[in-house]
Amino acid sequence: DQQVKQNSPSLSVQEGRISILNCDYTNSMFDYFLWYKKYPAEGPTFLISISSIKDKNEDGRFTVFLNKSAKHLSLHIVPSQPGDSAVYFCAASVGSNYQLIWGAGTKLIIKP
Amino acid sequence: DGGITQSPKYLFRKEGQNVTLSCEQNLNHDAMYWYRQDPGQGLRLIYYSQIVNDFQKGDIAEGYSVSREKKESFPLTVTSAQKNPTAFYLCASSSLAGVYNEQFFGPGTRLTVL
Repeated sequence: DQQVKQNSPSLSVQEGRISILNCDYTNSMFDYFLWYKKYPAEGPTFLISISSIKDKNEDGRFTVFLNKSAKHLSLHIVPSQPGDSAVYFCAASVGSNYQLIWGAGTKLIIKP
Repeated sequence: DGGITQSPKYLFRKEGQNVTLSCEQNLNHDAMYWYRQDPGQGLRLIYYSQIVNDFQKGDIAEGYSVSREKKESFPLTVTSAQKNPTAFYLCASSSLAGVYNEQFFGPGTRLTVL
């Protein structure tokens, strides 16, 4: 049973436009959510996180939105750049349980 | 530079052989983790450790073993009992200082069983 779902395996976006990556979860106990970026044959790199007491967190070009009632979060990248082409993973955890539950990832392709 | 190192980057193993993947961190993190990634899937937790000489099984621990004799090191052994060991293996670490702590990853080891 997948507790964290990223339903779009891939997404193609024009350079300079907004990229929106989506993530749904089923476990209402999750209270911390993270986005990671991963290039091929490398380890994931932490991008941005949000706790369940917030509905938005912003860091430069990256903004994460959390909709607890819909059990949905999204990552917005504005403007999209060629270096943003990578696989993006959504992950979630429950309180001080340090285990992360991961989505399957979305491959983002930025077209020039 | 602080970070996590994994070695080797590529590893080939014959069926029936055990192999050990190295993971070292100099971030002074208490917790360390081993994940497996297969194509088109998210990361799956194999083992994790929050303190020296203690570790817990993750979701897919069968066929794997670990040790945590030093805070900086968390080697993973893939045994011959692991039915499908070909995968990309990732080691991570995190602080336990705050309520929420992100995990930092090494570059990974790609294991191929011949």
